[in-house]
Amino acid sequence: AQSVSQHNHHVILSEAASLELGCNYSYGGTVNLFWYVQYPGQHLQLLLKYFSGDPLVKGIKGFEAEFIKSKFSFNLRKPSVQWSDTAEYFCAVISSGSARQLTFGSGTQLTVLP
Amino acid sequence: KAGVTQTPRYLIKTRGQQVTLSCSPISGHRSVSWYQQTPGQGLQFLFEYFSETQRNKGNFPGRFSGRQFSNSRSEMNVSTLELGDSALYLCASSRNTGDRNTIYFGEGSWLTVV
Repeated sequence: AQSVSQHNHHVILSEAASLELGCNYSYGGTVNLFWYVQYPGQHLQLLLKYFSGDPLVKGIKGFEAEFIKSKFSFNLRKPSVQWSDTAEYFCAVISSGSARQLTFGSGTQLTVLP
Repeated sequence: KAGVTQTPRYLIKTRGQQVTLSCSPISGHRSVSWYQQTPGQGLQFLFEYFSETQRNKGNFPGRFSGRQFSNSRSEMNVSTLELGDSALYLCASSRNTGDRNTIYFGEGSWLTVV
């Protein structure tokens, strides 16, 4: 069975600091990878997605992620965070042929201090 | 274009009762899936429907069931509610079964069991 690990449970940064959230998955086949964000009291919103092609994908709000197949990783980055980025971030994977079943990581709570 | 719509948004039930939650997918989306989100277990897949057929089911007891109608709208039902069923129930939709389809989430239904 596939699994997703997010090793940082809570990250605290000051505004303008750079962000990198780790995500590793375990599955040997073809995967689709996603990062979702959940702002306080709001629903899950898609930040970015990787299906194939260029392993560096850009998403909304200045976020980007890099797929490194050899490391089974899909880390999320942002050069300069803002207070409004305070939220919980979830990495998720669908393995090819798994009928639209997302497997989520445990989430990383990001707190950005003004 | 309207997003995934879930009703009701908030509800309180008593142990032993049953509950039905509704979901209207994004127009044109035929795959509907359900997830449970709790602080302890995170986001867990419940089941997925496509063309009125359940194609995949997560590791939940038989008290959790669902269905999809011909217009792609879906309902999930939880019978004999337990305190541990208190959670945010998220509905998600995607266009079809292809590998390059993004899954979009609704705002969720907050269920409290007392």
